[in-house]
Amino acid sequence: SQTIHQWPATLVQPVGSPLSLECTVEGTSNPNLYWYRQAAGRGLQLLFYSVGIGQISSEVPQNLSASRPQDRQFILSSKKLLLSDSGFYLCAWRVLGSYEQYFGPGTRLTVT
Amino acid sequence: QQQVKQSPQSLIVQKGGISIINCAYENTAFDYFPWYQQFPGKGPALLIAIRPDVSEKKEGRFTISFNKSAKQFSLHIMDSQPGDSATYFCAAFLGGNSGYSTLTFGKGTMLLVSP
Repeated sequence: SQTIHQWPATLVQPVGSPLSLECTVEGTSNPNLYWYRQAAGRGLQLLFYSVGIGQISSEVPQNLSASRPQDRQFILSSKKLLLSDSGFYLCAWRVLGSYEQYFGPGTRLTVT
Repeated sequence: QQQVKQSPQSLIVQKGGISIINCAYENTAFDYFPWYQQFPGKGPALLIAIRPDVSEKKEGRFTISFNKSAKQFSLHIMDSQPGDSATYFCAAFLGGNSGYSTLTFGKGTMLLVSP
């Protein structure tokens, strides 16, 4: 069966520090991968998605970037965090050819 | 228009009652409509989904009703339980199942089922 991992689960970082969040999917090949952000009590904002290694589409221009160095690995990065980057970051995956999209457990990021 | 409008923002239902959450969309090209359930501090979980060629889908206590002509769909939770207290998101999927399709989410409904 397929599983999705995100780490770290929680992170507290000072303003101006770099960021690297990792997402890994197991049990499937060539999934579509997605990064979402959810502000406190708010909805789901799509940040990036990837249909393959090295292929990244950005939905919202901002202080973040994404990379997909391996088929089942998706990384969210920032060179300098802002206070507004705080939130709950969710990775999701979908098998090409199917409709169902599944979310990971999320990373709670607090920028201080 | 890509928007999916979800209502109400919050809902309080007594245990054993029926919870109803509504969503409306504009783009008739949407062809898949899932509902997600999210507990605090957890990622959203796919709860139930429907394609526009059917008017209703039921899984246990959860039912999606779909009205294609009105461009609306709703989630009904029968015999609501305190464990159903969560945030529910409706969504719509555009463009078939191509790799470049993404989900459009409603803003969510916080459901509280009182004991």
